[in-house]
Parts: sequence; C-alpha cells; structure tokens
Amino acid sequence: KQEVTQIPAALSVPEGENLVLNCSFTDSAIYNLQWFRQDPGKGLTSLLLIQSSQREQTSGRLNASLDKSSGRSTLYIAASQPGDSATYLCALPSGGSYIPTFGRGTSLIVHP
Amino acid sequence: GAGVSQSPSNKVTEKGKDVELRCDPISGHTALYWYRQSLGQGLEFLIYFQGNSAPDKSGLPSDRFSAERTGGSVSTLTIQRTQQEDSAVYLCASSLRDPGQPQHFGDGTRLSIL
Repeated sequence: KQEVTQIPAALSVPEGENLVLNCSFTDSAIYNLQWFRQDPGKGLTSLLLIQSSQREQTSGRLNASLDKSSGRSTLYIAASQPGDSATYLCALPSGGSYIPTFGRGTSLIVHP
Repeated sequence: GAGVSQSPSNKVTEKGKDVELRCDPISGHTALYWYRQSLGQGLEFLIYFQGNSAPDKSGLPSDRFSAERTGGSVSTLTIQRTQQEDSAVYLCASSLRDPGQPQHFGDGTRLSIL
C-alpha cells in the first residue's frame, strides 16, 4: 500500500525566502505526481503535475522535481510571498490504481 | 462554469437525517472522485466513477454512504441516518479518463451534524 509523507508539517518563513517542501513515497510504480495548494475553506488547486517519465516541471516561481528511485519529490518555491501562504499537498496514483494517495500536507505561512 | 461545482457549500443538519451532496464536474471529464477531509486529517478517498459506473467503492466508510452518477456528468453523494462523525468537508474532483491527467477540485461541501 502506498504511503505518502510530507515534511515539514508546518513552516513559517519571512517573505523573500526560497523554500523546499518534501514529499516521499514508498511505492515507486506511480503514474504521476501532482502538487496542490489548499487555501482555508477552499478546495485544492492544482499547481504542477509530473508524469512518471519526467524529472521536473516548472511554473513561474514553482519548480517540482521527481526522483522515483529514491521515492521523493520536492516543490521549490522561489522568492516566497505572503500570498503563497496555504497548505501544500502532494498526491500520486500508483500500483495499478487510478486513485491518488495524498500526503497530509505542509502548512506554509509567509509573513511580511 | 469552467470548474468543478459543488452544492451546497455548507450544510447543517440534525443527527439521523439524510443528506445529499451534489457535484458538477468539468464538461468532458469522464472520471469523478469523492473525498472526505476531516479536521486535521488528510484526504480520505470515498469513491471513484468512470462514466456512470463506480469501479472502486472501497473508500465508502459504511452502508449509510452511497453515490451515483447519471449521464456521465452530475454525481450525488448520499449519507443516510447521519452521525456526528460524518461531519467533514466533502470534496469532489474530476479528470479526463487517462490516469496521467490532473485532478481538478471543487470547493467542497462543509457538512456539520448537530
């Protein structure tokens, strides 16, 4: 059974810092890995999706990498802003299932 | 609309009542997922639809929970004889058929059982 762990669980940083959020998984037979953000009281917003055959994806200040051999993905946020404050979750379908397993998320606060 | 729409956004009801939650997926998305998010917990998978059929119902917590999808579009999640532990945010997501496609989420229904 796939297990997904996100570290750290919470993070508070001053504006402008570069950040790395981690997602680790136990079963490397994945279809893809998706990073989401969730604002309080809202649903999940898709940020980046990395296919199994890819190593990384970039969108603006966000860069996500995937290393299946080590069972890890990282989300890099450059020059963080207060508007980046949210919970970030990773999710991945694996083991022949279409159903993604979600991590518990990293709660990020970027203060001015 | 362009996104996944869920209704109602909030529902407060008394223990023992039945509730019905609705999800309108993005047009053309054949896959539809229901999840539950309890306070301080991760997302819990409930059920997955491909078209109108549900190949995976493994996440439904009890026989009080059921879901259907009609016309390959709208889905309803029904909870009968609600209990206080059913209080949570119920999230719906849709995607194109291929498992390599991204999931798109609605804003959820916040269910409170008194």
